[in-house]
Amino acid sequence: QSALTQPRSVSGSPGQSVTISCSGTISDVGNNYVSWYQQHPGKAPKLIIYDVTKGPSGVPDRFAGSKSGNTASLTISGLQAEDEADYYCCSYAVSLRLVFGGGTKLTVL
Amino acid sequence: EVQLVESGGGLVQPGGSLRLSCAASEFTFSGYWMSWVRQAPGKGLEWVANIKQDGGGEYYVDSVKGRFTISRDNAKNSLYLQMNSLRAEDTAVYYCARGRYNSGWYPDYFDYWGQGTLVTVSS
Repeated sequence: QSALTQPRSVSGSPGQSVTISCSGTISDVGNNYVSWYQQHPGKAPKLIIYDVTKGPSGVPDRFAGSKSGNTASLTISGLQAEDEADYYCCSYAVSLRLVFGGGTKLTVL
Repeated sequence: EVQLVESGGGLVQPGGSLRLSCAASEFTFSGYWMSWVRQAPGKGLEWVANIKQDGGGEYYVDSVKGRFTISRDNAKNSLYLQMNSLRAEDTAVYYCARGRYNSGWYPDYFDYWGQGTLVTVSS
């Protein structure tokens, strides 16, 4: 069982917005060290959000991170076909651990 | 562009050992934390281990403590993972990743990843 809870799947049509949630506890998501990764089939994960809301250079600003309490969220606006992928949240946790969510499969209809 | 290239994966019997390597280039390797993250077939990502810039600190997920050892050779720009007493549940693609932090001292995200190397533990 993953330390962080994500929905197994979400879907949306091109141009729409979707939000993926990542629920944890005060010991992990409750801090401000949440990151998000995009993974296409057979490929390595790619960083798209770090420190809850920051986007690395080169990542479109269609990808936005937020947090409320112990739940972080990734919102993808203006959905495009190439956004279809698996998405993982990750958080620093106590005792110098890093924990991932179980992953969410995004389907672009 | 930062490059991380893993090698050393393969088929190993339960109880056996394997050593993974990760060759880094196009950045100052000695200035960064480095990490291993794994992904079992069809499953999610799992952080495995971190190592400090100078190799002076190593941190592990509980399930591999005492069996795996992360190390690095800054002169060779290389990261390693020595895996002993391997179990079927260690079967996964193992990714080498660069660890980063914005505040504090411990990495909380991974900004570059290698392509991964597959480790299969089976008799």
